[in-house]
Amino acid sequence: AQSVTQLGSHVSVSEGALVLLRCNYSSSVPPYLFWYVQYPNQGLQLLLKYTSAATLVKGINGFEAEFKKSETSFHLTKPSAHMSDAAEYFCAVSVAASYDKVIFGPGTSLSVIP
Amino acid sequence: NAGVTQTPKFQVLKTGQSMTLQCAQDMNHNSMYWYRQDPGMGLRLIYYSASEGTTDKGEVPNGYNVSRLNKREFSLRLESAAPSQTSVYFCATSLGQHTDTQYFGPGTRLTVL
Repeated sequence: AQSVTQLGSHVSVSEGALVLLRCNYSSSVPPYLFWYVQYPNQGLQLLLKYTSAATLVKGINGFEAEFKKSETSFHLTKPSAHMSDAAEYFCAVSVAASYDKVIFGPGTSLSVIP
Repeated sequence: NAGVTQTPKFQVLKTGQSMTLQCAQDMNHNSMYWYRQDPGMGLRLIYYSASEGTTDKGEVPNGYNVSRLNKREFSLRLESAAPSQTSVYFCATSLGQHTDTQYFGPGTRLTVL
């Protein structure tokens, strides 16, 4: 079965600083990996998705993530934080033909300090 | 296009009452999902429907029932609400299987007293 861990339930960064949100996964077969963002009082929306086409995945709003098989990681980064990036971020994993469907991590709340 | 819509947005129930959460999509997607979101636990899958007329249990199905009425609509029913079902409920859709991108509704915030 797949699983996801996100290190740090809450991360604070200064405006303009690097954003790094950590995600590690467990899967016995090649995974599909996702980062979703949830703004206050809204549903989740896709930031980016890894499907094995390229290890560095670029998403919306300047975010990107790198798939590292050896570290079983899929960390999310953005070079310069903006106030509008304050939100909850969820990493998720899925595999083809899985009865576990999509497994979401517990989420990381990002605060951006002016 | 509205995407994925959910009704109601908020609901307060007393223990033992029943209610149905409605979800509709205009994206022509085949798969639909119901999740619950609780603090520190991410999203947990309640039920899933791969196509009209089919449903499967997810991680936390106890206390819930679902109906895939047609391709557009997927409802979640609480027959006898319990305080443990206080949560935010999200409906989501994907074009095909669960490895596809999911599109979420705005959520229903349910409180059971």
